[in-house]
Amino acid sequence: NAGVTQTPKFRVLKTGQSMTLLCAQDMNHEYMYWYRQDPGMGLRLIHYSVGEGTTAKGEVPDGYNVSRLKKQNFLLGLESAAPSQTSVYFCASSLAGHLYNEQFFGPGTRLTVL
Amino acid sequence: QQQVKQSPQSLIVQKGGISIINCAYENTAFDYFPWYQQFPGKGPALLIAIRPDVSEKKEGRFTISFNKSAKQFSLHIMDSQPGDSATYFCAGMGGGSNYKLTFGKGTLLTVNP
Repeated sequence: NAGVTQTPKFRVLKTGQSMTLLCAQDMNHEYMYWYRQDPGMGLRLIHYSVGEGTTAKGEVPDGYNVSRLKKQNFLLGLESAAPSQTSVYFCASSLAGHLYNEQFFGPGTRLTVL
Repeated sequence: QQQVKQSPQSLIVQKGGISIINCAYENTAFDYFPWYQQFPGKGPALLIAIRPDVSEKKEGRFTISFNKSAKQFSLHIMDSQPGDSATYFCAGMGGGSNYKLTFGKGTLLTVNP
């Protein structure tokens, strides 16, 4: 049981390049989330999904797109990377149907945009 | 609008001492308050959580104190150990959403040996 995994672990992009971050979970969780973590800013929700085929905007969605084609995967895309998107990105997942859901986090992806 | 305010930003404690981190929330619809612990290079992990129907919850050396009228809650780490050195995040959830967490900005705790 690997839990939540993220690919890649590190990436360096040039301004304007695109990339996709992959998140996978093997816990059969319905809910999945993408956060970014910046120094002194805590964890901010980018997008989330409450089930396969559904996505919704979080607190800071601009410049990002997501897709949830399979229940176990949640993809985060950057179409045209900007230096402001330099951050550590965390994926998380949680069960549905519980009043208080523990979110399980992946190990993170460190992205640098030059 | 920052809905969960966390303080201090950083904290240095001697081994064996008590670490205290405070949070204040604005959204009165929040009804679940977890604390997450994050070690360097790792993702956050749930440490302890409380519901507003109790004023205190204790798990080992970790205690959450909750003051509903003041809209404040705090994490107390008794007998702090160097292995407790990490970043701690408080959060709130509720108001019709049972899946979205609003996090504080985090507290970097360093426990000196």
